[in-house]
Amino acid sequence: GAVVSQHPSWVICKSGTSVKIECRSLDFQATTMFWYRQFPKQSLMLMATSNEGSKATYEQGVEKDKFLINHASLTLSTLTVTSAHPEDSSFYICGLRGEGNSGNTIYFGEGSWLTVV
Amino acid sequence: EDKVVQSPLSLVVHEGDTVTLNCSYEVTNFRSLLWYKQEKKAPTFLFMLTSSGIEKKSGRLSSILDKKELSSILNITATQTGDSAIYLCAGHPQGAQKLVFGQGTRLTINP
Repeated sequence: GAVVSQHPSWVICKSGTSVKIECRSLDFQATTMFWYRQFPKQSLMLMATSNEGSKATYEQGVEKDKFLINHASLTLSTLTVTSAHPEDSSFYICGLRGEGNSGNTIYFGEGSWLTVV
Repeated sequence: EDKVVQSPLSLVVHEGDTVTLNCSYEVTNFRSLLWYKQEKKAPTFLFMLTSSGIEKKSGRLSSILDKKELSSILNITATQTGDSAIYLCAGHPQGAQKLVFGQGTRLTINP
């Protein structure tokens, strides 16, 4: 499977500040990356689909101005939570689609725990 | 609207027991169904199923798809405490990039 690196693993920030989370594909070029959010005891919720070189496609109810996604290269996508509030505290996970026969499978990064205080 | 439903939501068994986790789906132009295991961090891939009736197996885990019933099961035999996790099922519609996840089944294996 694909190797996906996500950083940081956990971050604590003050309310009103911005936080950037990076997602890197280590072993192949990913044209599409996905950003998910997961609240405790809940399933993954897709926030947006990030395509290299173009604007991200956001799911309904996700504020694009608050959750900025940049997919500037085939190996890096970033999610920036702007003006963070305590309710943004969550587990954020990136995923990317595999290549070839694994093209139907999404491989996930290790996830990032965000706590806004 | 595409939907994936898992059952049970929570299951507690003793080590050595066999468990069966269920997943039903309503996915437009179904392409595949995927199973993931999530422990403390992000989900790890277990199986991808595209054809009905063909069992996929990995050690004590196995899974099969029933396209007629729009469902899949994940079996774990001789369970171990390390199998304790949330098991997620996801449907992949044809032509769509994203997966549709179920709520997950929280499996707890007691020694």
